[in-house]
Amino acid sequence: EAQVTQNPRYLITVTGKKLTVTCSQNMNHEYMSWYRQDPGLGLRQIYYSMNVEVTDKGDVPEGYKVSRKEKRNFPLILESPSPNQTSLYFCASSPYFGWWETQYFGPGTRLLVL
Amino acid sequence: QQPVQSPQAVILREGEDAVINCSSSKALYSVHWYRQKHGEAPVFLMILLKGGEQKGHEKISASFNEKKQQSSLYLTASQLSYSGTYFCGTEYDNQGGKLIFGQGTELSVKP
Repeated sequence: EAQVTQNPRYLITVTGKKLTVTCSQNMNHEYMSWYRQDPGLGLRQIYYSMNVEVTDKGDVPEGYKVSRKEKRNFPLILESPSPNQTSLYFCASSPYFGWWETQYFGPGTRLLVL
Repeated sequence: QQPVQSPQAVILREGEDAVINCSSSKALYSVHWYRQKHGEAPVFLMILLKGGEQKGHEKISASFNEKKQQSSLYLTASQLSYSGTYFCGTEYDNQGGKLIFGQGTELSVKP
């Protein structure tokens, strides 16, 4: 089944404890992206990747890192999480970024930083 | 700059029409529309490119007004399944990959 998977789906952690949220897609997509969603603010893009080894900052990259060593995986790393990073996180992928293509979202990861 | 969506919320009866607007203060290259149901991931609806034609399916369509830097999503003869939050995502000047979303419009269709 074609899909974007994220792990974990739910995570409670404490301030400063490094964590990684994994994202994987099985559709051979070139483009992948991370978003956070907060009430009243909509979706905000954190980082995106147009292809393997190519990543770039989105609208709210501070406090996050990403890597794209293989086409299928795009992990999101929080080196030192803080409470303001409590949010719902979505990973997404598309064949290419362009006007004729869709973007498929993963199921989301709900993160609580205490 | 985040695009501005209007209205913020709308309540409809089944069969009624609705228009959701997405306005930008900067020149738009493309606009992406998504719908998200409560507790679920956003689902793609359509993309409109600057200079492109109005797109859509039978009852959900969208337009792109370059002069106003605005896109509008049209939902006609609404169904209960249309309920959800609608987001527009904007790309500026072919920045290739960077998407900025509006704050969302909550649509509720009642029987």
